[in-house]
Amino acid sequence: DIQMTQSPSTLSASIGDRVTIACRASQSISTWLAWYQQKPGKAPQLLIHGASNLETGVPSRFSGSGSGTEFTLTISSVQPDDFATYHCQQYDTYSAETFGQGTKVEFK
Amino acid sequence: QLQLHESGPGSVRPSETLSLTCSVSGGFISRSTEYWAWIRQAPGKGLEWLGSAAYRGGTYYNPSVQSRVTISVDASENEVALRLNSVTAADTATYYCARTRSSSWILLMAHWGQGVLVTVSS
Repeated sequence: DIQMTQSPSTLSASIGDRVTIACRASQSISTWLAWYQQKPGKAPQLLIHGASNLETGVPSRFSGSGSGTEFTLTISSVQPDDFATYHCQQYDTYSAETFGQGTKVEFK
Repeated sequence: QLQLHESGPGSVRPSETLSLTCSVSGGFISRSTEYWAWIRQAPGKGLEWLGSAAYRGGTYYNPSVQSRVTISVDASENEVALRLNSVTAADTATYYCARTRSSSWILLMAHWGQGVLVTVSS
């Protein structure tokens, strides 16, 4: 089974900060990696698929990179609407664990 | 605009069966090639994919719940159903219905319902 590990679990940031979230897969998943944003009490929203492809309507301050086992989500300049939890997900192979444990971006 | 709405009992007794329905509006399941999925999230925890099913065939389940879970697609009612047998407290979670981004990927969720909280308690 593929395991997904995110770091950090929590990240404190101020408005305008550049933040980076890491996601590691236990085996190569090529670029079959997605990022979701989830706000409290709401459903997740797909931000990025294919490791680096932004969904329509997602602000350009979000970017994704990586391939194989190492991936990152970057917010170039954090805005008030970006304080949320971010989940990475591999969609290469269905297994018991497809999502990372999540990274909460909180206001410093 | 596609909308998904989950419904069902908010509480289930241990050892019983959890049954939820996802009502689809803004699109017809019978015209879809994408997969319809259920994902859950225990309080304060991460997301867990339970399974995905396509109207045109093909059903995939998370190995960790495969023996207890059934997902069915009903085009006549434009609904997707989830059944989870023999529940325990560990099944307490918010359950989400979702549709995949395309027919190529059973796990890539582009559309989500708002979720429904189900508590397992006697």
